[in-house]
Amino acid sequence: DTGVSQDPRHKITKRGQNVTFRCDPISEHNRLYWYRQTLGQGPEFLTYFQNEAQLEKSRLLSDRFSAERPKGSFSTLEIQRTEQGDSAMYLCASSLGLREKLFFGSGTQLSVL
Amino acid sequence: AQKITQTQPGMFVQEKEAVTLDCTYDTSDPSYGLFWYKQPSSGEMIFLIYQGSYDQQNATEGRYSLNFQKARKSANLVISASQLGDSAMYFCAMRESMDQAGTALIFGKGTTLSVSS
Repeated sequence: DTGVSQDPRHKITKRGQNVTFRCDPISEHNRLYWYRQTLGQGPEFLTYFQNEAQLEKSRLLSDRFSAERPKGSFSTLEIQRTEQGDSAMYLCASSLGLREKLFFGSGTQLSVL
Repeated sequence: AQKITQTQPGMFVQEKEAVTLDCTYDTSDPSYGLFWYKQPSSGEMIFLIYQGSYDQQNATEGRYSLNFQKARKSANLVISASQLGDSAMYFCAMRESMDQAGTALIFGKGTTLSVSS
């Protein structure tokens, strides 16, 4: 058990480019979450999977954001046509069961220039 | 309306003293869970403690305890005997409908705790 891993750790991109982040949850965890966090703020919920099903998506998530979790294992978060306001830390977390605590990855820091 | 409110942007405490970090929540769901996470400057989110809405006793985990006042909808975190390593950002979070699959954990804006020697 190596914990939740996220790749890349840092991403610098130009406005208008597409970016994709990957999250590998703890292997037996069936629930996977994506959050976005800006400096000095709490994590903001983006979307959530149980196995391969995307069960909830924040209303704040524009149609430029899409997430997948094929086969209920790793997940990807894609941001199309990035904007400077997308600059943030993107956190992935996983849990096992409905009442279990979340284990977080170290995050991907996105900077849009 | 905000579901989780943390009114203290920053708190300062001396080493070995106890400190209480405030959290109030808003829900009409009878089944919910309350969580506290710690985020040091290194960035990782660390789970501290959990309280279920039906739990009869306040949760405790080592130096951490949760002062759960259901009628007042508050879930304050108490850290006893503060240590320098406790300096971090602390987040209160809530998940509603704990027995249903389709709900997410929602976080407050956090409180920065600074422990001095």
